Amino acid sequence: DAKTTQPTSMDCAEGRAANLPCNHSTISGNEYVYWYRQIHSQGPQYIIHGLKNNETNEMASLIITEDRKSSTLILPHATLRDTAVYYCIEGLIQGAQKLVFGQGTRLTINP
Amino acid sequence: DAGVTQSPTHLIKTRGQQVTLRCSPKSGHDTVSWYQQALGQGPQFIFQYYEEEERQRGNFPDRFSGHQFPNYSSELNVNALLLGDSALYLCASSPDPGTSGQETQYFGPGTRLLVL
Repeated sequence: DAKTTQPTSMDCAEGRAANLPCNHSTISGNEYVYWYRQIHSQGPQYIIHGLKNNETNEMASLIITEDRKSSTLILPHATLRDTAVYYCIEGLIQGAQKLVFGQGTRLTINP
Repeated sequence: DAGVTQSPTHLIKTRGQQVTLRCSPKSGHDTVSWYQQALGQGPQFIFQYYEEEERQRGNFPDRFSGHQFPNYSSELNVNALLLGDSALYLCASSPDPGTSGQETQYFGPGTRLLVL
């Protein structure tokens, strides 16, 4: 079973920042937080991952709380193409790992 | 770079039949994982192949089996199909973390299987 909890759905206006929260209160010290998203009828797409420091790439920013029990994925200027289901996943970066997906957050970007 | 490719894109079978799904990993990737995604649910891990052997397995019955070839491509076989096997089957590839230091998984578009 997934060890993360996310809101079922969220809405955001086009052009605004979308902030997607995730709780992972039982995360281990050697587990990373991964974010994937799945646009309708496509395979999941990797977005970003982090251990304890905030991370930023061309797609998004990841803010992890100091106690590592929660994180927020930020899409700085959401577009209609960002409408998707967003999954927050705990995982080890070393060794073979399976991704344990929960239900994710269905993010709808409104024009 | 073609990314992860899967075939076929759609498939219709009847109960009791057998099915084989195929996956070609992203160039440079040697690890292949398979996931099943039922409608409205997140993907569920079936198994992972590395160096032509099953390295990890999720909670799926023995009706689900796989194979990895020397060129790292992979097949998923499902025997004695049930109605409940209807789902999107996703293949994901990743590089061996021992060589790359990371294991981000790249997913294919999936094969949608309908069992009647």
